[in-house]
Amino acid sequence: AQKITQTQPGMFVQEKEAVTLDCTYDTSDQSYGLFWYKQPSSGEMIFLIYQGSYDEQNATEGRYSLNFQKARKSANLVISASQLGDSAMYFCAMREGLTSGTYKYIFGTGTRLKVLA
Amino acid sequence: DVKVTQSSRYLVKRTGEKVFLECVQDMDHENMFWYRQDPGLGLRLIYFSYDVKMKEKGDIPEGYSVSREKKERFSLILESASTNQTSMYLCASSPDFRPYNEQFFGPGTRLTVL
Repeated sequence: AQKITQTQPGMFVQEKEAVTLDCTYDTSDQSYGLFWYKQPSSGEMIFLIYQGSYDEQNATEGRYSLNFQKARKSANLVISASQLGDSAMYFCAMREGLTSGTYKYIFGTGTRLKVLA
Repeated sequence: DVKVTQSSRYLVKRTGEKVFLECVQDMDHENMFWYRQDPGLGLRLIYFSYDVKMKEKGDIPEGYSVSREKKERFSLILESASTNQTSMYLCASSPDFRPYNEQFFGPGTRLTVL
């Protein structure tokens, strides 16, 4: 079973509008971390935002926020006021805690976002 | 600033060649990772290392081996390159095993095997 699911292979958004990229996860661990990365066409992976499983508040970093719904096991990325430079591939990832006995990060298949002028 | 560097951005090799991909991080991180990235498949873990000389197989280790003789350096080895190993290879590091640590990525190596 997929541990990280990103159901939107591609999305379009108009410049200056907000967009939500979906991510659902599956874990039986109580302690885990959720991450979003951006990958522009240059190929580098850029860390955007982190949410811990015990964090009560949704994480925010500038125009990025993470809509964390623990009971539904979802960790959607919200980008406000989209810019042309936001066009990129976006990956959701999870790292489970000590209970799982693994050090691995698990990535989704990504969502390609295109911002339209 | 954490820096993760990879030895080449682009590499072209012939089938059957032995290929070395080098990764170096400068922040004393314990964990290092090698991924390959293919369209529609996301990032798939090949191997990771949680300490010097310690390694564990990831999801797709077949055809690859790794070496970590020093903490800062993690090498990926293709013993006999094949065309189905043409891919983007990404190296990453993280401070330790705790789940709240993000990974820091290198710029990637685009490998073509002819």
